[in-house]
Amino acid sequence: GAGVSQSPSNKVTEKGKDVELRCDPISGHTALYWYRQSLGQGLEFLIYFQGNSAPDKSGLPSDRFSAERTGGSVSTLTIQRTQQEDSAVYLCASSPQGASDYEQYFGPGTRLTVT
Amino acid sequence: AQSVTQLDSHVSVSEGTPVLLRCNYSSSYSPSLFWYVQHPNKGLQLLLKYTSAATLVKGINGFEAEFKKSETSFHLTKPSAHMSDAAEYFCVVSAGGTSYGKLTFGQGTILTVHP
Repeated sequence: GAGVSQSPSNKVTEKGKDVELRCDPISGHTALYWYRQSLGQGLEFLIYFQGNSAPDKSGLPSDRFSAERTGGSVSTLTIQRTQQEDSAVYLCASSPQGASDYEQYFGPGTRLTVT
Repeated sequence: AQSVTQLDSHVSVSEGTPVLLRCNYSSSYSPSLFWYVQHPNKGLQLLLKYTSAATLVKGINGFEAEFKKSETSFHLTKPSAHMSDAAEYFCVVSAGGTSYGKLTFGQGTILTVHP
């Protein structure tokens, strides 16, 4: 079956522009996660959605970052007024449930470069 | 609070020799622990997971890991390395005691396999 998909695979943007990154989770998975992978910080949790519950935004680095999940499926991560330190690979993962012992299935990531 | 420490940033072995990637964790709750692998320009793939069942966990491609609570360790081993094992490996702990599975990643260990 189809795995987690993300688009675009690569995005180059100018400093100060807004960007939107998209994630399509595995069908039927209720939990969706965003992570960021960068050279200096490794892999960091950003935000978590579980069903209709309020998202856990505790990992978002600043108020320039936001995310939404429409209809319990597709999610969009938005970065406003991008900065060079936002350059990273943004990974999306989904899981059948948001419990600690469930495997998370990762997408291929979106590589964001801010010039 | 939870954290993961991978004790080696780089490990180099010869093909056919054993592999040992070391990981120590801390968690306020009974943890779920995972090893993920990331091949160059590929997504993260689950190797194996521990979720409070058997302490010796077998994964894909001949890898296994042993959960040692007294040592707070979850080291990854393989008896005989193959060239295709060259990749970056992440030890991961998942929050317990709550209903969600926010992952905390170690800094990664790059495994190089020499012919």
